[in-house]
Amino acid sequence: EAGVVQSPRYKIIEKKQPVAFWCNPISGHNTLYWYRQNLGQGPELLIRYENEEAVDDSQLPKDRFSAERLKGVDSTLKIQPAELGDSAVYLCASSPGTSGTVDTQYFGPGTRLTVL
Amino acid sequence: SQKIEQNSEALNIQEGKTATLTCNYTNYSPAYLQWYRQDPGRGPVFLLLIRENEKEKRKERLKVTFDTTLKQSLFHITASQPADSATYLCALDAGNNRKLIWGLGTSLAVNP
Repeated sequence: EAGVVQSPRYKIIEKKQPVAFWCNPISGHNTLYWYRQNLGQGPELLIRYENEEAVDDSQLPKDRFSAERLKGVDSTLKIQPAELGDSAVYLCASSPGTSGTVDTQYFGPGTRLTVL
Repeated sequence: SQKIEQNSEALNIQEGKTATLTCNYTNYSPAYLQWYRQDPGRGPVFLLLIRENEKEKRKERLKVTFDTTLKQSLFHITASQPADSATYLCALDAGNNRKLIWGLGTSLAVNP
């Protein structure tokens, strides 16, 4: 079974430039998460999707971040414009999302973003 | 506010010994707790889940305990090996089945 796929693995941009990250979750997983992880920290949830619906985006800085999950499968996270403080690893995770059960999350390798 | 604490300092142990990692939480009553392993340059990988009504869970050399009175979970790796060296993260449910609150992680180094 293929795991969660993310691209690119690394991205270096100058501040004020736009950047986009792509995620392909495990086939059949209804729930998709985007996290940001800074060095020495745990993952911080940015947005959670149930199928194509964003059910929790309370931590997403909406002035510059946007996300979409078309057809409830792949997802894209965008930052425009990027700031120096956005340098971090952006992790995508998915889970089966079966109603009423406890989910464990399956993570991709992450995209390491460096903003210069 | 809700708070999760894990050993802030790295843990160094000799191969063959038991590693014990701690996860404490306050202002919180999670229904379950999960432990994940994270290697450098990779995403976290799920290891074990323990529910509030379970005192202990085991999987091969791993053991997790959950004390809701002390608001603490302990994660043990017995007969540790250098390959166990990684960062270990605890995560608690945030009141629904699919949102987790994450600790900062504890770095474990097992020396040969």
